[in-house]
Amino acid sequence: GAVVSQHPSRVICKSGTSVKIECRSLDFQATTMFWYRQFPKQSLMLMATSNEGSKATYEQGVEKDKFLINHASLTLSTLTVTSAHPEDSSFYICSARTPRGGYQPQHFGDGTRLSIL
Amino acid sequence: TQLLEQSPQFLSIQEGENLTVYCNSSSVFSSLQWYRQEPGEGPVLLVTVVTGGEVKKLKRLTFQFGDARKDSSLHITAAQPGDTGLYLCAGTDSWGKLQFGAGTQVVVTP
Repeated sequence: GAVVSQHPSRVICKSGTSVKIECRSLDFQATTMFWYRQFPKQSLMLMATSNEGSKATYEQGVEKDKFLINHASLTLSTLTVTSAHPEDSSFYICSARTPRGGYQPQHFGDGTRLSIL
Repeated sequence: TQLLEQSPQFLSIQEGENLTVYCNSSSVFSSLQWYRQEPGEGPVLLVTVVTGGEVKKLKRLTFQFGDARKDSSLHITAAQPGDTGLYLCAGTDSWGKLQFGAGTQVVVTP
């Protein structure tokens, strides 16, 4: 099945640091990737849709200057949390959708646990 | 916004018992997925249902998609401790985005 790799799995850093998270589709090309945020004991909340070769589309309430998304190739999207603060601590998860015809589901990475001290 | 209501929020059962999780919406979805998520990991796709009235079986798991494509259910027969996890339903909206339910935490004790 489709495999999505996310790196790093865990980050602990000081307030004010910028953190980059990578999302790779390992065995397929993904024209569209998605970034989610998940708080403890809650469901996934879509932050943005990442489109290869174009600007990301952000959901309402998500600061695009805070969460920079780059989708430079068909297998890689990155999320950079700029000048992170403790309130940005969360579980960030990416997903990718295979581009084959017909309906294709999203496949998820294993997530990145971000802890800002 | 198409909202998915998932119930119950929490289920604790003993090994060998059956359970059903429900996912309901007032809106129609082009497809619906069920995922299972374990702590510290991403959701793992269990099934995708596309056709109204569709029933899919995955070993001891049975998934149904309502005739009107607004609701779905997940039934687990003879649950095992390995079935413990957070079960999430997610519908694909007209923009191709996934709308997630709040999740059902299932705990199966030996």
